[in-house]
Amino acid sequence: QQQVKQSPQSLIVQKGGISIINCAYENTAFDYFPWYQQFPGKGPALLIAIRPDVSEKKEGRFTISFNKSAKQFSLHIMDSQPGDSATYFCAASNTGGGADGLTFGKGTHLIIQP
Amino acid sequence: DTAVSQTPKYLVTQMGNDKSIKCEQNLGHDTMYWYKQDSKKFLKIMFSYNNKELIINETVPNRFSPKSPDKAHLNLHINSLELGDSAVYFCASSRDFSGGSTNEQFFGPGTRLTVL
Repeated sequence: QQQVKQSPQSLIVQKGGISIINCAYENTAFDYFPWYQQFPGKGPALLIAIRPDVSEKKEGRFTISFNKSAKQFSLHIMDSQPGDSATYFCAASNTGGGADGLTFGKGTHLIIQP
Repeated sequence: DTAVSQTPKYLVTQMGNDKSIKCEQNLGHDTMYWYKQDSKKFLKIMFSYNNKELIINETVPNRFSPKSPDKAHLNLHINSLELGDSAVYFCASSRDFSGGSTNEQFFGPGTRLTVL
């Protein structure tokens, strides 16, 4: 059972364009939704995160949009740059449920073409 | 000044062997985790430890056992290695998981395990 579904699997965007990655979750107990960025040979690094009490969070060029009723959230990368080329993972957890690990989506391989 | 470190970075071994991967965090965090990333890059939680107590044990074979000598370390022992154990293993840590925390997890650089 895949509790967090992520799409697309891969994405090619021109430099300066907007990259959009979508995720949907099933477990209504999830209350923390981070996005991680992973470069080849490195560990995942937190990019931005949101809680369900807000519908949007913006940090620089990165924005999370959250739709609680639809159980969906998405990452928007504005003015995408070649340095943004990486694998992006959405994730979710229930912070009130103990030391819960993150449930990850399957990842999106993003390529920004110069 | 590395936050979460793992050793070794690469591990190549024969089927049937027993091996360990070490993890250390210098962030003062209370909870540590082990994740497995398969060849398709899918990340899945294996274990988490809080205050030296195992909190989660997903459907992981009992050949895998986490060992935490202290709050800053969580080692992963694997017995009787199988071909399917080949993957990248990530250690992570976070602050106290109490309700309201962000549960931000900091990941180590990973250990690539290859079983021949």
